[in-house]
Formats: sequence, C-alpha cells, structure tokens
Amino acid sequence: DGGITQSPKYLFRKEGQNVTLSCEQNLNHDAMYWYRQDPGQGLRLIYYSQIVNDFQKGDIAEGYSVSREKKESFPLTVTSAQKNPTAFYLCASSISSASAGANVLTFGAGSRLTVL
Amino acid sequence: DQQVKQNSPSLSVQEGRISILNCDYTNSMFDYFLWYKKYPAEGPTFLISISSIKDKNEDGRFTVFLNKSAKHLSLHIVPSQPGDSAVYFCAASGDGGSQGNLIFGKGTKLSVKP
Repeated sequence: DGGITQSPKYLFRKEGQNVTLSCEQNLNHDAMYWYRQDPGQGLRLIYYSQIVNDFQKGDIAEGYSVSREKKESFPLTVTSAQKNPTAFYLCASSISSASAGANVLTFGAGSRLTVL
Repeated sequence: DQQVKQNSPSLSVQEGRISILNCDYTNSMFDYFLWYKKYPAEGPTFLISISSIKDKNEDGRFTVFLNKSAKHLSLHIVPSQPGDSAVYFCAASGDGGSQGNLIFGKGTKLSVKP
C-alpha cells in the first residue's frame, strides 16, 4: 500500500536537545511538506520541498531544519532554538506543488512531540 | 493576518440531518479550495475540492459551494452520520506566491449525534 510513514508517533524530549522526526513516502511524489498543528490552530507550514536537494522555508521555519537527499525522505529536525516545540507534527506529500489542478496533499499519521 | 477563516470552532448536528461547514477567505487570487477531515491523533484526509471557476462540486454525500463575490465557501454533508464526527479544515491554494502550497483555516469540530 502506498502512503506516508511518520516515526516516531510519540516523542519526548528534554529542553536543549535536538530531535529528528522521520517522514518516508512511497507514492513517488515530488513535493513534500512539514506542518505543525497546535490546539485550536490550523496547520501551519514549516518547510516544503518541491524536488530532491531543494527546500524552502514556510511560515514558521525558525528553530527547524530539514534535508531532502532522497525523493522518498524528508526528515525534520526540531532544534533547541525552537521556543515552543511541543506540538503535533504532520508530514505530507503531493505529486507536484506546481502541477495543474488542485494540489492535493496526502498526510502521514503525525508525530506528537512533547518537551519536558 | 488569516487568509482562510473558519469562524465556527464547533458544530453539533443530529444524525440524518444536514451539516453545513463554512469558510471565508480574503485573497481573491486563490484558485483552488479543498476540504480535509481529521480524526484525533491522525493525519488529515482529503475530502473534496473546487476550482475557483466553479460554484459547486459534488461527491456522494459531500457538496462544496463557492461564492466568489462573497469570498465564501461551504461544505454540505447530507445525510450526516456519526462517523462524520471529526475536525474539518478548509484550505486554499494559488495565491501567486506560495507555489501551490495550501493555506489552512483553524478547523471546525463537527459532532454528529445518534
């Protein structure tokens, strides 16, 4: 079955530690995204990548970093510089963000990060 | 400043009745609008979309209506079922600078009572 796999599902981190969230897709999609969801808030874009070895900052990129060395993988690192890292993180992919038609994103199941 | 607004945080409907979820937007450059459904601790799943050149799109129990002059869209679910209980997000794309990225509203939590 094609889809997006995020791991771990739950993660606890001490203040001052970096943590990396994994995102893998086997949909052969070109574009991948990271969103953050906080209670009562919509999904806010952290980073996105339209192609391998290229990525762009979203609306709330500060304190986060990404890499896109392979088409299937788009890991997100939450660094100690992120002031409020406790949140639900969602990875998504789409055929291409620049293609014609609605850009339908397929989401993973999410990773919940809690900073202790 | 929010470009996509869902002003009702929650909505409660009786099973079998119609659910109407509303969404307003401010950017007239948006060319597509999408609705996603999300259960707790899961990722959102795509429901239905509409192009800005249309005023209605229907898929089974789900219909989306677009009123461009009012910058307003709505999702109708009829008949509503208990399994429809979830958070519904409205999203828009094509504002000219976002390269197709989606801008989401804050969501409306729908509860369908048996």
